[in-house]
Amino acid sequence: QQQVKQSPQSLIVQKGGISIINCAYENTAFDYFPWYQQFPGKGPALLIAIRPDVSEKKEGRFTISFNKSAKQFSLHIMDSQPGDSATYFCAASSNQAGTALIFGKGTTLSVSS
Amino acid sequence: DAGVTQSPTHLIKTRGQHVTLRCSPISGHKSVSWYQQVLGQGPQFIFQYYEKEERGRGNFPDRFSARQFPNYSSELNVNALLLGDSALYLCASSRQGISNQPQHFGDGTRLSIL
Repeated sequence: QQQVKQSPQSLIVQKGGISIINCAYENTAFDYFPWYQQFPGKGPALLIAIRPDVSEKKEGRFTISFNKSAKQFSLHIMDSQPGDSATYFCAASSNQAGTALIFGKGTTLSVSS
Repeated sequence: DAGVTQSPTHLIKTRGQHVTLRCSPISGHKSVSWYQQVLGQGPQFIFQYYEKEERGRGNFPDRFSARQFPNYSSELNVNALLLGDSALYLCASSRQGISNQPQHFGDGTRLSIL
């Protein structure tokens, strides 16, 4: 019940295209769903996050879509740029004290110019 | 404002040795969490501390321990190092001791065990 399943493992998108990464979870106690971006040699950087009371959140070129009934959420990167090439992790957590962020296994995105 | 800072950035140890990793949270953040990230995987939770008390522990052996100081900085200690402990160790800070709040990561300590 603690797993977060992320797909695809890797993704190649042309410059200007839309990148879509999907995640699914089982634990219905999860109520916070962040996405992190990680460049080689760096720590994960918080990109955007959503809570289950909304179905979509947009920040610039990044959008999270959330489907509570299906227990799925996805990251859409519009107008993908070579600088977006990185590893993306979805995660989930609950408001129970002492619990942690549960991460997916990551998606390596390559944006070709 | 400074982000989460970790030291050292890189460390090489041999099997059986002990290591101490350090983390300073973002100013105003009272919670620190430690994660282990092996190559090609997402971070795995080790510990969470809030107001100097342990609030959570992941599925790691007792060789792993941590503490948080009055200034909210933290140390992660690993004893009797094994080859499998080679990983990137990440520290994350947040304002409160619950996990459904934004957590901000440092760039980690790359630990290599020979």
